[in-house]
Amino acid sequence: DTGVSQNPRHKITKRGQNVTFRCDPISEHNRLYWYRQTLGQGPEFLTYFQNEAQLEKSRLLSDRFSAERPKGSFSTLEIQRTEQGDSAMYLCASSLEPSGNTIYFGEGSWLTVV
Amino acid sequence: RKEVEQDPGPFNVPEGATVAFNCTYSNSASQSFFWYRQDCRKEPKLLMSVYSSGNEDGRFTAQLNRASQYISLLIRDSKLSDSATYLCVVNMNSGYALNFGKGTSLLVTP
Repeated sequence: DTGVSQNPRHKITKRGQNVTFRCDPISEHNRLYWYRQTLGQGPEFLTYFQNEAQLEKSRLLSDRFSAERPKGSFSTLEIQRTEQGDSAMYLCASSLEPSGNTIYFGEGSWLTVV
Repeated sequence: RKEVEQDPGPFNVPEGATVAFNCTYSNSASQSFFWYRQDCRKEPKLLMSVYSSGNEDGRFTAQLNRASQYISLLIRDSKLSDSATYLCVVNMNSGYALNFGKGTSLLVTP
C-alpha cells in the first residue's frame, strides 16, 4: 500500500498520559499536514510541514501538542498530559507542491481519553 | 462567522433523485476549492476540485461563484452508494492549510 499510513489506528489512554502518533506520508510527497476531527465536525487544521520545516501551526495546537518531521519523511504528533477534550480522530495528510495539488489523507488515528 | 459554512443536513433522498449542496466561504482571497467525500469513520477523500468555469464528473457537477463566495455540488441520479458526508473545502491563504466545512450528510434510500 503506497498511501498515507498512520499508527496506531486506535489508542485509549488515561487522562494525564502522553500519547504519540506516527504518520508515514506518500513517499515522494514533501508536504505533510495534521488535522483533528471530532464527531459532527469537519477536519480542523493543526499544523503543516514542508520537508522537515514546520511552516504553520494552528492556534488549536496548544503547548501540550508537538509535531516533528525530523528527516522530512515520517512525522510524529505528541500530545502531553492528555485531556478528555483531546478525544478525536487525528488525520495525517500529504501532498506534492505546488499548492492546489490533491491532499491525500491517511485512515486516521482514533484517540479516546478516559 | 466560520470560514466555511455548510448546511449540515441530513439530506434524505430516494434513489434516482437530484440533490444539491451549498457552501459559502468568508475569505474573498481564497484560491482553491474542493469537495471531499467522507464515509462514516473513514478518512476524507477528494471528490472533485471546483473551478470558476464549473466542472462536471459523471453525475457530479460543481460550481463556483467568486462574487457571492459560494460553492455548490449537484448530484444527479443518486445512488445508494452516494450516502456519505460531503465536505466543502477551501484553501484560504498562501497555500498551506485546507479549511473544511462541517460537512453535509446525505442518505440515499431505496
